[in-house]
Amino acid sequence: EVQLLESGGGLVQPGGSLRLSCAVSGFDFRNYWMHWVRQAPGKGLVWVAHISEDGTNTTYADSVKGHFAVSRDNARNTLYLQMNSVRVEDTAVYYCARDVRSSLDVWGPGTTVTVSS
Amino acid sequence: DIQMTQSPSSLSASIGDTVTVTCQASQGIHNFLNWYQHKPGNAPKLLIFDASNLERGVPSRFSGSGSGTDFALTITNLQPEDVATYYCQQFGTLHLTFGGGTKVEL
Repeated sequence: EVQLLESGGGLVQPGGSLRLSCAVSGFDFRNYWMHWVRQAPGKGLVWVAHISEDGTNTTYADSVKGHFAVSRDNARNTLYLQMNSVRVEDTAVYYCARDVRSSLDVWGPGTTVTVSS
Repeated sequence: DIQMTQSPSSLSASIGDTVTVTCQASQGIHNFLNWYQHKPGNAPKLLIFDASNLERGVPSRFSGSGSGTDFALTITNLQPEDVATYYCQQFGTLHLTFGGGTKVEL
């Protein structure tokens, strides 16, 4: 069964750092682009970043460019999102998702990040 | 970035109704559009890809149409389990963008 499972969320102070992980199973991870998408409380889905199969190509939403970094370890079947200099507006549920022909066909259940002092 | 405008933001319907949600892109995106269903506490679910193709396992009462800038998601014979928020998402550029969502209630 194809599964994605995020972890690493929690409470962090403004200006702090957090690393989210997304462990995958049930498919050949190294063959797929992957994405991070977030949903702030009471708001809609917002795309955050994506990364190519081998990790050499990354793209970010303007709102996180320069303070988030997406990476992957294909040997460990794990996707990461390094969040630096976090802001209150980064508070959200963060989802990882698999890309198939630019559609996000499998998603994890999400991990919650709260930025607050 | 390409902006996606969804309407309505919410709607109320009855079991068995036909419901239509629309999505307009700020520039032409061919058929580079997907639709998702999102229920609270759950992961979003892909319903329609490439504007009109039904994802495997999705009931046939869901359908998508459109190309260029104007798209629609139609749910015929609305069922209780269809209560959710629906999002369009474009992939006309590397910066993906979602519509603001349409909350469907009974």
